[in-house]
Amino acid sequence: AQTVTQSQPEMSVQEAETVTLSCTYDTSESDYYLFWYKQPPSRQMILVIRQEAYKQQNATENRFSVNFQKAAKSFSLKISDSQLGDAAMYFCAYRSQETSGSRLTFGEGTQLTVNP
Amino acid sequence: DTGVSQNPRHKITKRGQNVTFRCDPISEHNRLYWYRQTLGQGPEFLTYFQNEAQLEKSRLLSDRFSAERPKGSFSTLEIQRTEQGDSAMYLCASSLGLAGFYEQYFGPGTRLTVT
Repeated sequence: AQTVTQSQPEMSVQEAETVTLSCTYDTSESDYYLFWYKQPPSRQMILVIRQEAYKQQNATENRFSVNFQKAAKSFSLKISDSQLGDAAMYFCAYRSQETSGSRLTFGEGTQLTVNP
Repeated sequence: DTGVSQNPRHKITKRGQNVTFRCDPISEHNRLYWYRQTLGQGPEFLTYFQNEAQLEKSRLLSDRFSAERPKGSFSTLEIQRTEQGDSAMYLCASSLGLAGFYEQYFGPGTRLTVT
């Protein structure tokens, strides 16, 4: 079974600064997707960014980028120019492309605080 | 497109009672998922449907839990004989089921409190 681990329960960053959230995962599969989801205080989960395991290039979405290290099974999220609206719980998630089904396996989450 | 909706948003019940939650997915989405999220944790997969067929169930889904998706549209999740350990946020998500990548869109959740 796949597992996802986020070792930082809480992180804080100053507005306009850069912060990196860590995620490691364990799998024996070679074909999968990785995601970062944001859950603001209103609690509706929103997809921030995704990475296909077969792609070597790191995904980027505006101020959000990832550092995907497949051999190390590491998938970190970098938020540049942090804004107050970035404050939320962030979850790293894994989805297999090899086994049937579409379940997402989530990490424990990192609570991000953005200080003005 | 109004997104995924869930009702009720909050439910307080006494231990031993039955509760039912409803999820309305995005209209063209043929896949529907249920997750459970306890406080301070990430969501855990419970079950998913493709159209009206329930294709996968987690071991977390005990025999007190049942989910249906009649006609492949909305879905209901019923918990019988609720226990305090059932207190959690129940999240629904939907997606297209085409080949390749398909994003799961989440609803706001139903928060269940069992007293």
